[in-house]
Amino acid sequence: SQTIHQWPATLVQPVGSPLSLECTVEGTSNPNLYWYRQAAGRGLQLLFYSVGIGQISSEVPQNLSASRPQDRQFILSSKKLLLSDSGFYLCAWSRGSLGEQYFGPGTRLTVT
Amino acid sequence: RKEVEQDPGPFNVPEGATVAFNCTYSNSASQSFFWYRQDCRKEPKLLMSVYSSGNEDGRFTAQLNRASQYISLLIRDSKLSDSATYLCVVNGGNYGQNFVFGPGTRLSVLP
Repeated sequence: SQTIHQWPATLVQPVGSPLSLECTVEGTSNPNLYWYRQAAGRGLQLLFYSVGIGQISSEVPQNLSASRPQDRQFILSSKKLLLSDSGFYLCAWSRGSLGEQYFGPGTRLTVT
Repeated sequence: RKEVEQDPGPFNVPEGATVAFNCTYSNSASQSFFWYRQDCRKEPKLLMSVYSSGNEDGRFTAQLNRASQYISLLIRDSKLSDSATYLCVVNGGNYGQNFVFGPGTRLSVLP
């Protein structure tokens, strides 16, 4: 069966510090991978998606970047965090573009 | 008009009640449809896919009306554990950018 991991679960970072969040998927190959952000009390906002190694598409211009160095690894980064980067960051995977997405447990980021 | 719209609720219902949620979408080319549930401070979890012919999974029934561009979810015999936010998701295909989440409808099942 497939499993998706994210870490860390929670993170408190000062403004201006760097960020690296990691997501890995087990039990499948060549998944589509996604990063979402959910601000408190809000809906999910798609940040990045990837259909293969090194292929990243950005949905929203922002302070963040993503990379996919391996087939089942997806990394979200920032060089300098802003207060507005606080939120619940969720990684997801799917088989193909029409199938359902499965989410990891998320990282709750607070920028202070 | 927003791509996917839902009544935010909250819907407060007693245990055992039947409750229905609707969701409307604007993209007539949408190809797949889902309901997710999200518990407080947790990740969304797939509840069920929605098929053109309608589908049922235990106490949950989902229906799709392509002509009117809406999706519904019916929960029968509500349990306390059904309390959550229910997210309608519409996928127009074309990789990630058309997997659109609705804002969610909050359900509280009361004892």
